[in-house]
Amino acid sequence: GENVEQHPSTLSVQEGDSAVIKCTYSDSASNYFPWYKQELGKRPQLIIDIRSNVGEKKDQRIAVTLNKTAKHFSLHITETQPEDSAVYFCAASANDYKLSFGAGTTVTVRA
Amino acid sequence: ETGVTQTPRHLVMGMTNKKSLKCEQHLGHNAMYWYKQSAKKPLELMFVYNFKEQTENNSVPSRFSPECPNSSHLFLHLHTLQPEDSALYLCASSQDTGWTEAFFGQGTRLTVV
Repeated sequence: GENVEQHPSTLSVQEGDSAVIKCTYSDSASNYFPWYKQELGKRPQLIIDIRSNVGEKKDQRIAVTLNKTAKHFSLHITETQPEDSAVYFCAASANDYKLSFGAGTTVTVRA
Repeated sequence: ETGVTQTPRHLVMGMTNKKSLKCEQHLGHNAMYWYKQSAKKPLELMFVYNFKEQTENNSVPSRFSPECPNSSHLFLHLHTLQPEDSALYLCASSQDTGWTEAFFGQGTRLTVV
């Protein structure tokens, strides 16, 4: 089955700096890659997703890049703000409903 | 509010108890899921229902028993659990199976004593 690895497990950044989270996946058939954000005590919520027919997608301060050859994808958050502090999960899916999640990255934005 | 509601929010149960977790969605979705979230581990998919039919049982022990009476409701029946089953249990729904956004409930924090 699919194995998704996510790094780093924790990330502390100064407000205004950028944050980058990287994920690798094992199943070359995977073609859907969503990112979820889970604030403390709240439910995971989708923040951005990318499909295998594109290499990059951007939505305001967040962007995701995909390298299918290397089987890795990354989340980039620019100009970080305190409200960006949360746990971020990457996931991968190969033509079915089974989302395989990474272990999560706890992001802390220091004021 | 994403439209997926889970009850109870917190549950403490003994190893010999029987309890049930409930999930309800009014988003008109056809697929519903149970996930287990343990500290420092990936979200683990447990069960998938599509149009009320179970389509996935991800090698979950039989002490967890799901039930989906209709497309809007999903239950997880618990009996003779172990302390290592303590975790946050998240329900999610999506329009259908495939590349659609999963909407999560707020979860039930389960503690087995």
